[in-house]
Amino acid sequence: GEQVEQRPPHLSVREGDSAFITCTYTDPNSYYFFWYKQEPGASLQLLMKVFSSTEINEGQGFTVLLNKKDKRLSLNLTAAHPGDSAAYFCAVSSSNTDKVVFGTGTRLQVSP
Amino acid sequence: NAGVIQTPRHKVTGKGQEATLWCEPISGHSAVFWYRQTIVQGLEFLTYFRNQAPIDDSGMPKERFSAQMPNQSHSTLKIQSTQPQDSAVYLCASSLPRLSNERLFFGHGTKLSVL
Repeated sequence: GEQVEQRPPHLSVREGDSAFITCTYTDPNSYYFFWYKQEPGASLQLLMKVFSSTEINEGQGFTVLLNKKDKRLSLNLTAAHPGDSAAYFCAVSSSNTDKVVFGTGTRLQVSP
Repeated sequence: NAGVIQTPRHKVTGKGQEATLWCEPISGHSAVFWYRQTIVQGLEFLTYFRNQAPIDDSGMPKERFSAQMPNQSHSTLKIQSTQPQDSAVYLCASSLPRLSNERLFFGHGTKLSVL
């Protein structure tokens, strides 16, 4: 079945720096991609849903890159601020199943 | 809309006891998922239901874990003879009917501690 590896598990950056998180997946049939954010003590919230046809997805303060050839999904938080401190999870699913497989998560700490 | 509701928020059991976790999905959501969250493993898929029918339980430890969805308004995850390694946050999520391109809405989870 699908395997999703996420790196790094922990990331500390200073305010204003960028933070880069990468996931690699194994199933070539993977078609839907997601990033979720979990703030301390809170439930997971969707950050962005990525469609297979789009390589670069812009959000508010972040960019998501999808490289289907290398089976890699990346999240780049540009100019991170302390409010971005949270756990981030990538998630992958294929077109023929509801099952969503998550990466192991990245705990981001942004210091002032 | 209260979102996905999970009860209890915290549960402490002794080794060998049974634990039942409850989930109330968002009204109108026909897919319900259970995940187990630990620091080391992240979010591990356990099982999911669509229209109350079990579809994929490939992540469930077969011997002591079971899940049901007796009606569209709630699902339960039961762990028999709990062990310390079962300690984790158990997350329930629901989504709209259209398959895998729909986002998941998560509850706050039940933190299970097995002493």
